[in-house]
Amino acid sequence: NAGVTQTPKFRVLKTGQSMTLLCAQDMNHEYMYWYRQDPGMGLRLIHYSVGEGTTAKGEVPDGYNVSRLKKQNFLLGLESAAPSQTSVYFCASSSLFYKVTEAFFGQGTRLTVV
Amino acid sequence: KNEVEQSPQNLTAQEGEFITINCSYSVGISALHWLQQHPGGGIVSLFMLSSGKKKHGRLIATINIQEKHSSLHITASHPRDSAVYICAVSKRDSNYQLIWGAGTKLIIKP
Repeated sequence: NAGVTQTPKFRVLKTGQSMTLLCAQDMNHEYMYWYRQDPGMGLRLIHYSVGEGTTAKGEVPDGYNVSRLKKQNFLLGLESAAPSQTSVYFCASSSLFYKVTEAFFGQGTRLTVV
Repeated sequence: KNEVEQSPQNLTAQEGEFITINCSYSVGISALHWLQQHPGGGIVSLFMLSSGKKKHGRLIATINIQEKHSSLHITASHPRDSAVYICAVSKRDSNYQLIWGAGTKLIIKP
């Protein structure tokens, strides 16, 4: 099994450009999450999904949109990239909410906005 | 004050040493997670604890719910253990929210 796969792994954007990050999981997990990781800080939740067709805001949702049209895919969009969105982005999935089971993470996407 | 605090922030040790990383939290939790992040970024879940102690190979994780404290121990440390170790807690009153520590960067020298 591939587990959780993120594409792309690296990207450089100019301010104002848009892009979509793709997260795909092959474990039939209901729950999927997008995080960002910045130096010296813990991971921060951007958006999450509790099932196909549903999304919800996390701690830092501004400037991002998400969609979960298929159960296995969770897309993170940046409509107009800003330098403050330079970060490493992680997708994760789990079969249940984090209370009772462990999460599986992708390898991360390193995004630089110049 | 952060709701999840890890110590130390950085730790350098010699191969073979016994390693302890600490995690303290200030909220009610339903579970605590220890994760490992290697250079290059991938994050791997090591343990999920709600009470007591768990062991996997040379790794041991303990939790004291009353003291709101957890420790991750590595016995007979090896350079391949060099990574960032992250503590995260599932808040009891939230279905989705994980609160993350900032991580402990561990370097094991040969």
